[in-house]
Amino acid sequence: SSELTQDPAVSVALGQTVRITCQGDSLRSYYASWYQQKSGQAPLLVIYAKDNRPSGIPDRFSGSSSGNTASLTITGAQAEDEADYYCNCRDSSVNQWVFGGGTRLTVL
Amino acid sequence: QVHLEQSGAEVKKPGASVKVSCKASVSPFSNSWMHWVRQAPGQGLEWMAVVSPRGDYTVYSQKLQGRLSVTRETSTTTMYMELSSLRSEDTAVYYCVKDNSVSGMGWWFDPWGQGTLVTVSS
Repeated sequence: SSELTQDPAVSVALGQTVRITCQGDSLRSYYASWYQQKSGQAPLLVIYAKDNRPSGIPDRFSGSSSGNTASLTITGAQAEDEADYYCNCRDSSVNQWVFGGGTRLTVL
Repeated sequence: QVHLEQSGAEVKKPGASVKVSCKASVSPFSNSWMHWVRQAPGQGLEWMAVVSPRGDYTVYSQKLQGRLSVTRETSTTTMYMELSSLRSEDTAVYYCVKDNSVSGMGWWFDPWGQGTLVTVSS
């Protein structure tokens, strides 16, 4: 299957921890990358190669992977983390890249 | 650090074609695979295509195969995306993005262009 499944919406209380998940068969072969997108802006890479953060991304963002599921965890969520989050992975069976449907994170 | 600058917004009629450009600021562009991604209003991200560093190999999404053409000019560090037979559902923001990969670790997209809004309307 060339699909990645994400929960459409997740909420977290300010300062608490939230996990956003992404499921798909292609994740058994390759690590997911994760993107944050705020309203009206281009997506921003936050996690790559399973658990690596680009320069400038706070260390409260972390990634993990097990089987067909990749996870993005925000430890101590801040108001500025409110955004849409997308996972992405390559599907080698069809030589395509695929995005998850996105998760809208609300920080309460 | 690569910066990707895209061409401006376009308004097209159904059935027409649109060509969007993406210019990279620095030379790693010539060694990089590049992708196009689009996002319809209020919708998620959709991967469209990838092109090799010299532009001699492309892979298109199955959904857009036949209507999409991606080319690049290494001399000008510019990449182009042309979508034909436009329909209303092609209205979206189109992004160019640089491919990054490490063997065994997967792929990731960074940086992204600022996006180009293409509106298809009669």
